[in-house]
Amino acid sequence: DIQMTQSPSSLAASLGDRVTITCRASQSVANYLNWYQQRPGEAPKLLIYAASSLRSGVPSRFSGSGSGTDFTLTISGLQPEDFATYYCQQSYSKIFGPGTTVHIK
Amino acid sequence: QVQLEQSGPGLVKPSQTLSLACAISGDSVSAYDAAWNWIRQSPSRGLEWLGRIYYRSRWITDYAVFMNSRIIIKADASKNQFSLQLNSMTPDDTAVYYCARDDISGSYNYFDPWGQGTRVTVSS
Repeated sequence: DIQMTQSPSSLAASLGDRVTITCRASQSVANYLNWYQQRPGEAPKLLIYAASSLRSGVPSRFSGSGSGTDFTLTISGLQPEDFATYYCQQSYSKIFGPGTTVHIK
Repeated sequence: QVQLEQSGPGLVKPSQTLSLACAISGDSVSAYDAAWNWIRQSPSRGLEWLGRIYYRSRWITDYAVFMNSRIIIKADASKNQFSLQLNSMTPDDTAVYYCARDDISGSYNYFDPWGQGTRVTVSS
């Protein structure tokens, strides 16, 4: 089975910071990789699909890149509503990563 | 705009059956480009996909192997909703349960949107 890992597990950042979260698959998943944001008490929301395609309505400060086994989610210019937990997900196996929580510094 | 509204109990006794429903608005449970999923989240196991149902001239279900035949997902076209039945509940099944739509029309699948979640506790 494909395993998904994320790093770091948590990070502290300030408003306006550029934040990068990494997701790694145990074997190649091509670009079948999605990213979700989950705020406390809410359901996850899709941000990025197919590794780099931005879901309609998602701010352009969010971007995704990567293929094969290594992927990144970048937030360029952290906003107050971005403090949340972010999950990657391999779309074929439907396996989720363990999450990365972005805290306020 | 597709919206999913979940309903069902928040407390289940050990060995009993959990039954949750997910009502769909803005789409059809019989739509050929969609699959309807159940996902759960717990602190110990994170986000876990449980299974899905979709329509291709007949209803087709896929279940996560670890569910060990305890799960049944059904669709009710007359109510435009789908449901989760999880048998033989144990405290280990305590989690927040979500329903979600999966676009299966193209090469890339993703869960969007999600229901609001139902916090289920298994306790006597």
